[in-house]
Amino acid sequence: SAVISQKPSRDICQRGTSLTIQCQVDSQVTMMFWYRQQPGQSLTLIATANQGSEATYESGFVIDKFPISRPNLTFSTLTVSNMSPEDSSIYLCSVGRDQETQYFGPGTRLLVL
Amino acid sequence: GNSVTQMEGPVTLSEEAFLTINCTYTATGYPSLFWYVQYPGEGLQLLLKATKADDKGSNKGFEATYRKETTSFHLEKGSVQVSDSAVYFCALRSPGGKLIFGQGTELSVKP
Repeated sequence: SAVISQKPSRDICQRGTSLTIQCQVDSQVTMMFWYRQQPGQSLTLIATANQGSEATYESGFVIDKFPISRPNLTFSTLTVSNMSPEDSSIYLCSVGRDQETQYFGPGTRLLVL
Repeated sequence: GNSVTQMEGPVTLSEEAFLTINCTYTATGYPSLFWYVQYPGEGLQLLLKATKADDKGSNKGFEATYRKETTSFHLEKGSVQVSDSAVYFCALRSPGGKLIFGQGTELSVKP
């Protein structure tokens, strides 16, 4: 497995602001993903973070709202832009090395007031 | 499209009871199947997986068998503990690596 860290672990933000979440892995991985878990709900994939190129977004998610960077094989960021209370969620990054299994970070708990 | 359906929770059991959480899936081909567990206030941890039909995944006393005839991957444990209280997610892996999750089943084990 991989050791995955996320920063910040939690935050409380005001509407209209933006927050950048970092995901760091202790070794190189081929795949990195960003998921959202709304309160009491399951996980939904936001996008696949592609190293050196634009992320691949799922239906319902757009780059202007959730810009993603992945400058190398161990690091990615997700920005939640122009936040509203509906963006209050847990944001999780996951990584895959062997094309089969994904491992998840501890998550970032975001509350937007 | 691919989808995963789990039995609804919450499920409340007494310690040492037998646990079954049902999971069925719809998919083209034979995707890899997973169970993840989320303890209160934490992220997701991989519990077990199966990559082909008739495979049995097991870990920490939990088991699940990949049944292609019934498109199911039910999670079982013979004797649950209070420490097993968590939310359990069944998931399948789509081509390209995307995980599709069921809605999650909350398990509460009482002493």
